[in-house]
Amino acid sequence: DTAVSQTPKYLVTQMGNDKSIKCEQNLGHDTMYWYKQDSKKFLKIMFSYNNKELIINETVPNRFSPKSPDKAHLNLHINSLELGDSAVYFCASSQVLASYEQYFGPGTRLTVT
Amino acid sequence: GNSVTQMEGPVTLSEEAFLTINCTYTATGYPSLFWYVQYPGEGLQLLLKATKADDKGSNKGFEATYRKETTSFHLEKGSVQVSDSAVYFCALLSQETSGSRLTFGEGTQLTVNP
Repeated sequence: DTAVSQTPKYLVTQMGNDKSIKCEQNLGHDTMYWYKQDSKKFLKIMFSYNNKELIINETVPNRFSPKSPDKAHLNLHINSLELGDSAVYFCASSQVLASYEQYFGPGTRLTVT
Repeated sequence: GNSVTQMEGPVTLSEEAFLTINCTYTATGYPSLFWYVQYPGEGLQLLLKATKADDKGSNKGFEATYRKETTSFHLEKGSVQVSDSAVYFCALLSQETSGSRLTFGEGTQLTVNP
């Protein structure tokens, strides 16, 4: 029944490692997003995909690479992890031609040590 | 560019108190406005929305009115409960050539004590 799901929920890793976070939505939406929430709870968009095409790419280090194998999935791969990457990452989805309301996943808490 | 400013938190209230969380925005055009709520350890949930001036969004006893003249979307509830303790985010949705995007305020932590 989960609308937007993310795995894993928690991720603890060391500096320099490469890791991926997966996101899936079963709402039939055509647009998916990645947001980063820092330690002060501030939320900022990172990427947006519409029908598997990248349409928003904020000023994010190129160590972050999103990949959308199909409309229902948007994964986030992070190379050479740094301490400053520690945050909660949220996936979201919306239907562009509807109300644009975005539905959020439960978040992935990434801790880099 | 677009921006959203929320009143600084944290806000601590007693049960049944009146709640106001101020939100003002800067945007070009006519954005849609939203309030999202984040309960501890969870993702964001849409609380209410308004898509045009003078619209009032309401849900679970919370209300907010889209005021174009004051560029505001203040969140109110007449009588808060302990279960309302969460972080509240004001956001605006803008349609740009690069796609639609949500711009969030800083979030306001609300704690309601019994």
